[in-house]
Amino acid sequence: GAGVSQTPSNKVTEKGKYVELRCDPISGHTALYWYRQSLGQGPEFLIYFQGTGAADDSGLPNDRFFAVRPEGSVSTLKIQRTERGDSAVYLCASSLRGGTYNSPLHFGNGTRLTVT
Amino acid sequence: AQSVSQHNHHVILSEAASLELGCNYSYGGTVNLFWYVQYPGQHLQLLLKYFSGDPLVKGIKGFEAEFIKSKFSFNLRKPSVQWSDTAEYFCAVTAGGNNRLAFGKGNQVVVIP
Repeated sequence: GAGVSQTPSNKVTEKGKYVELRCDPISGHTALYWYRQSLGQGPEFLIYFQGTGAADDSGLPNDRFFAVRPEGSVSTLKIQRTERGDSAVYLCASSLRGGTYNSPLHFGNGTRLTVT
Repeated sequence: AQSVSQHNHHVILSEAASLELGCNYSYGGTVNLFWYVQYPGQHLQLLLKYFSGDPLVKGIKGFEAEFIKSKFSFNLRKPSVQWSDTAEYFCAVTAGGNNRLAFGKGNQVVVIP
């Protein structure tokens, strides 16, 4: 079946520009996560949605980062005034009910963001 | 906040060799532990997980991991690797009942045929 879909797969933008990254979770999955993976590092938690609401946004690095999930399905990660340090692979994951034993995370292939 | 340490970031070994990847975490309470694998060009996939019960956990593709609470460790093992095990392996933990997976930096494993 269809997995987690992320678009675009690659995004190159200039410093100071605004970008949006999209995530289509697996149909029926209520939990959605955003992670960021910098070169040579493991994924770093950004934000977790349960349904439409952000249940935990403690990983967002600053107020330039914002994410929405208005209908409880597709989510958009928005980055304002991009900086070169924002360059990374942004990963999205979804799970049926949240990170419980019988509800593992399914990851997408990520969006590689490059800020020049 | 919980943190995860993985050692020996790059591992090169021959087919049929045994593999052990170390993982240590820093959290004194109840933890849930995971190993994820990322094959070249593919997304992260769950390899195995530990929530409670038998501390020796068996996962897919012949992998297993042992939770040793006294050592805050969850090491991954495979007795005999194959070329297809070439991948990056990440240890991860959730703690304190939250849903935030904290990942280690990963181990890049290359198996030479």
